[in-house]
Amino acid sequence: GAVVSQHPSWVICKSGTSVKIECRSLDFQATTMFWYRQFPKQSLMLMATSNEGSKATYEQGVEKDKFLINHASLTLSTLTVTSAHPEDSSFYICSAEKTSGRGMETQYFGPGTRLLVL
Amino acid sequence: QQQVKQSPQSLIVQKGGISIINCAYENTAFDYFPWYQQFPGKGPALLIAIRPDVSEKKEGRFTISFNKSAKQFSLHIMDSQPGDSATYFCAASISSGYALNFGKGTSLLVTP
Repeated sequence: GAVVSQHPSWVICKSGTSVKIECRSLDFQATTMFWYRQFPKQSLMLMATSNEGSKATYEQGVEKDKFLINHASLTLSTLTVTSAHPEDSSFYICSAEKTSGRGMETQYFGPGTRLLVL
Repeated sequence: QQQVKQSPQSLIVQKGGISIINCAYENTAFDYFPWYQQFPGKGPALLIAIRPDVSEKKEGRFTISFNKSAKQFSLHIMDSQPGDSATYFCAASISSGYALNFGKGTSLLVTP
């Protein structure tokens, strides 16, 4: 199998606080993980690409100082939303890339984290 | 700039019918084309995927058809069931280490 977990599944916080979201690949190692954001009834929007042991690559328009990404191990990547504001409320989803024995890569997604900033 | 265009935006199919969702892409460097199924409040789940070296792939009731010359690929859901009601996303990527480029999604409703 290929299971990706996220924690927490939902979080409510006050404006100005920071929130950390964890993404774990439970049964495989992932050199590369991705973070997406999804608004209601919309597609997934890539925020950043996270490679183990190196700095994340952010998409244009995504503030790297606001959305801190750390990929400290081959099974864990974290996204920290710093000084969260109501406009940061969204559904955040991570994915982890698994390489098969034939050298083919497949992305598996976590269940998502619903963030509500009051 | 949407690199993968998906249609239709929504689809209603009767139980037992065939659901067809189409996607088109421009970047000829894309070499991996997965389809994801997403239920409300959940993360996308990989349904089926294809690479350009084959024109069709079937897994159970789900089939991907791929037309490299037309730069199009489609998902066919045979014998559609109410439990298939979900949002379906097509995607494309270049190779390992690159993020998926998603279509805008198709909301499928299968009526009893």
